[in-house]
Order: sequence, then C-alpha cells, then structure tokens
Amino acid sequence: DTAVSQTPKYLVTQMGNDKSIKCEQNLGHDTMYWYKQDSKKFLKIMFSYNNKELIINETVPNRFSPKSPDKAHLNLHINSLELGDSAVYFCASSQYPDGGTDGYTFGSGTRLTVV
Amino acid sequence: GNSVTQMEGPVTLSEEAFLTINCTYTATGYPSLFWYVQYPGEGLQLLLKATKADDKGSNKGFEATYRKETTSFHLEKGSVQVSDSAVYFCALSDMNRDDKIIFGKGTRLHILP
Repeated sequence: DTAVSQTPKYLVTQMGNDKSIKCEQNLGHDTMYWYKQDSKKFLKIMFSYNNKELIINETVPNRFSPKSPDKAHLNLHINSLELGDSAVYFCASSQYPDGGTDGYTFGSGTRLTVV
Repeated sequence: GNSVTQMEGPVTLSEEAFLTINCTYTATGYPSLFWYVQYPGEGLQLLLKATKADDKGSNKGFEATYRKETTSFHLEKGSVQVSDSAVYFCALSDMNRDDKIIFGKGTRLHILP
C-alpha cells in the first residue's frame, strides 16, 4: 500500500527518557513534515525537510531533533522527555513544500504519553 | 500573512440534519483550498479541495465552493450521518508565499443518532 507510515503508534514513557519516532513514505514525495497535535486538536508544525534538507524549524525546544537519512524517511528524536511533550505526533509528506494543489498525506499518528 | 479561520466547535447535530462549517481565509495570492477530516484515533485525510475561484470540491456527499469574493470555503453536507462525527480542518496552500499549508484550528462535529 502506498502510504505514510509511522512507528510506534503508541508510546508511553517516563519523564527524562529519550525516545524516537520513525516515519517512512513510499509516495515518492520530496517533502516531509512533523506536526504536533495537542488535546484540543490544534495542529502545530514542527519541522519540514525537502530532499533531506531542513526547510522549516519552528520554535521547538532543542530537545527535539529531526533526522532525514533520505527523502523517504524522517525520524524525530526527543531527549529528556517532559510531561508537556505528551501529544499526538503526525508525520506528513507532499510533493512540494507548500503542499501544491494536492495537499499533504498524513500518517496515522504516534500518541506519546509521558508519565 | 496568510491565515484560515473556521467556526469553533463542537457542532452537534441530529442525523440527517444539514451541515455547514464556515471557513474564511486571508491570502495575498491565489491559494488552493482544502478540507481535511480526522476520524477518532486516526490521522488527517484529505476530504476535498479546490484550486481556483468558483471551483467546487466534493467527496462523500460533502461540498465546498471556492468563493474569492467572500474569501470563503464553507463545508456543507445535505444529510449527515453518525459516521461523519470527526474533526474537520480547513486549510490553504499559497505557492507564492508560504512554504507550508496553513491549517485552521479544526471544528469537532458530533452527530447524534
């Protein structure tokens, strides 16, 4: 199936731990994104990469570090997890950075719970 | 800068009611407009889109018309079902101005049987 897939789907961890979320797309898109969705469903863009190059780096604590080994993969590493990091994290991809006329394709999300 | 404003929810309707979720936008260029839907526990899915003025996007009984004169892209459905309960996001992309899609804050829709 063509898709954006992210793992894990659920992640429960203790404060202070370091964790990673992985994302892969097989759509042949050039641009990938990480979004954070809070409990009120508000979507906030965190990072985007175009052909492995970082193009968006919003105001995000430097405990969050994205890495794109190739244009089909975008991972998110989070150091020293805090309670406020609990959220759903979505990966997305598109052919063009602004979404063009086709918009973004989203993964199904990773629900991160920090206890 | 560009922005999207959509009606705050939650919106609660009975099954078979008529639905309108308002969305207005601010853009300096000629954006493409989208509606995304997020069902419980899932990611966002593209519901419909319109890429130029007066275009009508439609899918699954939902429709939205790109109105440049009123800078609006309201989502409508003639008869909602319980399965339409979800969060709906209006969004725009403006190739000449932004390097990302601008999303509205989302509108939660509850349909009662």
